[in-house]
Amino acid sequence: GENVEQHPSTLSVQEGDSAVIKCTYSDSASNYFPWYKQELGKRPQLIIDIRSNVGEKKDQRIAVTLNKTAKHFSLHITETQPEDSAVYFCAASLTEYGNKLVFGAGTILRVKS
Amino acid sequence: DVKVTQSSRYLVKRTGEKVFLECVQDMDHENMFWYRQDPGLGLRLIYFSYDVKMKEKGDIPEGYSVSREKKERFSLILESASTNQTSMYLCASSSPGRNEQFFGPGTRLTVL
Repeated sequence: GENVEQHPSTLSVQEGDSAVIKCTYSDSASNYFPWYKQELGKRPQLIIDIRSNVGEKKDQRIAVTLNKTAKHFSLHITETQPEDSAVYFCAASLTEYGNKLVFGAGTILRVKS
Repeated sequence: DVKVTQSSRYLVKRTGEKVFLECVQDMDHENMFWYRQDPGLGLRLIYFSYDVKMKEKGDIPEGYSVSREKKERFSLILESASTNQTSMYLCASSSPGRNEQFFGPGTRLTVL
């Protein structure tokens, strides 16, 4: 089955700096890669996703890149703000099986002001 | 507004008790999921359901069962709770046409 590894497990950045979180997946047939953000005490929420026919997707200060050959994808957050502090989860899915997601272990991002 | 609710935010049970966790969604979603969340392990899928009375095992189904008698409700059952089932349990739902999963607030279960 699919396995998703996520690094780093914790990341501290200064406000205004960029943050990058990386994930690798094992099943080359996976074709959908979402990122979820979970603030302290809150439920996870989708912040951005990418499909395998796209190499990069951007939404304001966040972007995701996908390298299918290397089987890795990354989340990039620019101009970080204190409200970006949260746990971020990457995931991978074989969409023909519905929405079954395999999640990474999560990254705790702390933005210091 | 999308809404997924779970029956309890906090629950304390004793070893050997039968535990029911309930999840309700009001979005008419076909897909529903149960995850457990543990520090350093992310979200791990226990069971999922694509339709009423339909269920499939996820990655860690041992010690759990589920029930989906109505489209909007998906229940997770711990037949005989054990201390290693102490965890945060998250329910989610989604539509087949869209991949986004909508999560409930979670139930923090402690088994003593």
